[in-house]
Amino acid sequence: AQKVTQAQTEISVVEKEDVTLDCVYETRDTTYYLFWYKQPPSGELVFLIRRNSFDEQNEISGRYSWNFQKSTSSFNFTITASQVVDSAVYFCALSDPGGDSSYKLIFGSGTRLLVRP
Amino acid sequence: GAVVSQHPSRVICKSGTSVKIECRSLDFQATTMFWYRQFPKQSLMLMATSNEGSKATYEQGVEKDKFLINHASLTLSTLTVTSAHPEDSSFYICSATPDVSGAFFGQGTRLTVV
Repeated sequence: AQKVTQAQTEISVVEKEDVTLDCVYETRDTTYYLFWYKQPPSGELVFLIRRNSFDEQNEISGRYSWNFQKSTSSFNFTITASQVVDSAVYFCALSDPGGDSSYKLIFGSGTRLLVRP
Repeated sequence: GAVVSQHPSRVICKSGTSVKIECRSLDFQATTMFWYRQFPKQSLMLMATSNEGSKATYEQGVEKDKFLINHASLTLSTLTVTSAHPEDSSFYICSATPDVSGAFFGQGTRLTVV
């Protein structure tokens, strides 16, 4: 069965600190996709990144970076020099691709990040 | 990124009434859309897969007669919560995939049943 674990329920940091959000997944499939989303208080889900199981390259986008390690089934997310606007709930998600490349997602429980000024 | 629009963003209804929520893909066609539910301070749980031109597929434990899904066109899926009760109060959110780039979500609908 597929499962996503985000062990950190809440993290509180002071602005400008670096913070890493952990994500561990379980799947028997060889082809799968991993996602990170940000959910601010307004509720919408903001897409951050998609990574397929064959691409283990780390990715950096501005202050955001992702570390995908198949050996440990982890897909961790690091925010460098955190800002107050980064405060939100962050979800890691796992998906099998559907027949038409649609994505049915299984979400982790989320990590609530609070960045204090 | 691709745009998925959901309406309404908030709705309050009386117990026993039905509520319809719309999910539209604005700049792409979606043969498949997904509906999720999120209770306060919890994660998102997939409710059902909406298939254009055919019946929706429901996840285990989701009552198909209570949560009616219609996907009549390639850009519109609707979720109708029938005979709503206070325990149906939740945040409902849809998603669609324009291409292999990712899954994009609507703004969500916060339903309160009083």
